[in-house]
Amino acid sequence: KAGVTQTPRYLIKTRGQQVTLSCSPISGHRSVSWYQQTPGQGLQFLFEYFSETQRNKGNFPGRFSGRQFSNSRSEMNVSTLELGDSALYLCASSLGGGHTEAFFGQGTRLTVV
Amino acid sequence: AQKITQTQPGMFVQEKEAVTLDCTYDTSDPSYGLFWYKQPSSGEMIFLIYQGSYDQQNATEGRYSLNFQKARKSANLVISASQLGDSAMYFCAMENTNAGKSTFGDGTTLTVKP
Repeated sequence: KAGVTQTPRYLIKTRGQQVTLSCSPISGHRSVSWYQQTPGQGLQFLFEYFSETQRNKGNFPGRFSGRQFSNSRSEMNVSTLELGDSALYLCASSLGGGHTEAFFGQGTRLTVV
Repeated sequence: AQKITQTQPGMFVQEKEAVTLDCTYDTSDPSYGLFWYKQPSSGEMIFLIYQGSYDQQNATEGRYSLNFQKARKSANLVISASQLGDSAMYFCAMENTNAGKSTFGDGTTLTVKP
């Protein structure tokens, strides 16, 4: 069974640009959650999608958005990048029924210069 | 609001010994799940063990066990017979009825010494 796949693994962008990250969940998983991990703030929840609908949202500005497709693949978009957006972005997939373990991808390391 | 507290930024343990990583949590929701994840230097988060708030017995998975004390709101991870490959960052997390949204602690870096 293939794991969670995140692409790209590494990304360097310039301030003001926008970026799209992709996450392919484990087959059969309908929930995809996104997290931002930085040394200073730890792991912060961004949002969660379940069956193409955003079900939960963290406390991030509107520059951070996402979507989920009918095959459960999810994309996360960050517009007008700021230096502080440099982080490891992790995607997690789960069955979505609550209290089930999440399986994480290896993450996308975004550097904003 | 949910909160997870891991008070040990770093821990050292001798190979083959047991180690306990602390985790306390705060929630007003009676139904929740507690998780532990391991994050090696490669960055991937690896699920280790799960404890449900209504589970009567402490969870165990191989060398990992969770010391769940509900009244104290603690969910400590015990790793027995430490191995060099256990060196990593360990995160405690909680998911309440808001499925899909987990709250993570700041993590504990465990270093296993040969």
